[in-house]
Amino acid sequence: DAGVIQSPRHEVTEMGQEVTLRCKPISGHDYLFWYRQTMMRGLELLIYFNNNVPIDDSGMPEDRFSAKMPNASFSTLKIQPSEPRDSAVYFCASSFPEGLAGELFFGEGSRLTVL
Amino acid sequence: GDSVTQMEGPVTLSEEAFLTINCTYTATGYPSLFWYVQYPGEGLQLLLKATKADDKGSNKGFEATYRKETTSFHLEKGSVQVSDSAVYFCALSDRNSGYALNFGKGTSLLVTP
Repeated sequence: DAGVIQSPRHEVTEMGQEVTLRCKPISGHDYLFWYRQTMMRGLELLIYFNNNVPIDDSGMPEDRFSAKMPNASFSTLKIQPSEPRDSAVYFCASSFPEGLAGELFFGEGSRLTVL
Repeated sequence: GDSVTQMEGPVTLSEEAFLTINCTYTATGYPSLFWYVQYPGEGLQLLLKATKADDKGSNKGFEATYRKETTSFHLEKGSVQVSDSAVYFCALSDRNSGYALNFGKGTSLLVTP
């Protein structure tokens, strides 16, 4: 398996622009997680899905952030409008917890810079 | 809520030195505990895990024991190598939170030749 695939790997944009990050989980995994990593706050859980349904979005910082999972093989995280404080590395991870006691498989991340 | 506290870095060691990275947790249930490692420019990889009290996780010479009495899961390695230089994250997950991982802040390790 190719692992969790994220795109783009790097994104540089200007404040106010819309940003869309994409994730393809490992086939057969029924949980998908979006995390944000910054130096100041470490790794923060933004939202997670089970069987394509959002279960907990309490970590989504503001209404500017939205996430969707239209099918089992694709998810997006959108920021509109983007702000400089959104600059971070965004990680997608997937798992099938009942089989692996919660082990998550992470993508390589999308590094976002908002100027 | 559940939380993880790990020692702050950076930690700098000479090759072949003994490594300990402390991790303690707070949880209302019976979480599973993990150590993840992040190499520069990469995502996180599972290093080891333990799912119940007194379990010992081990991998690549690293070990950690799930201590319920002290709510700890300290990471140890007897002889570190330059290739172990990375950021190490302690984490817990619980069925009640959908197995979402709750991470500590991470500890940066630099091993010098």
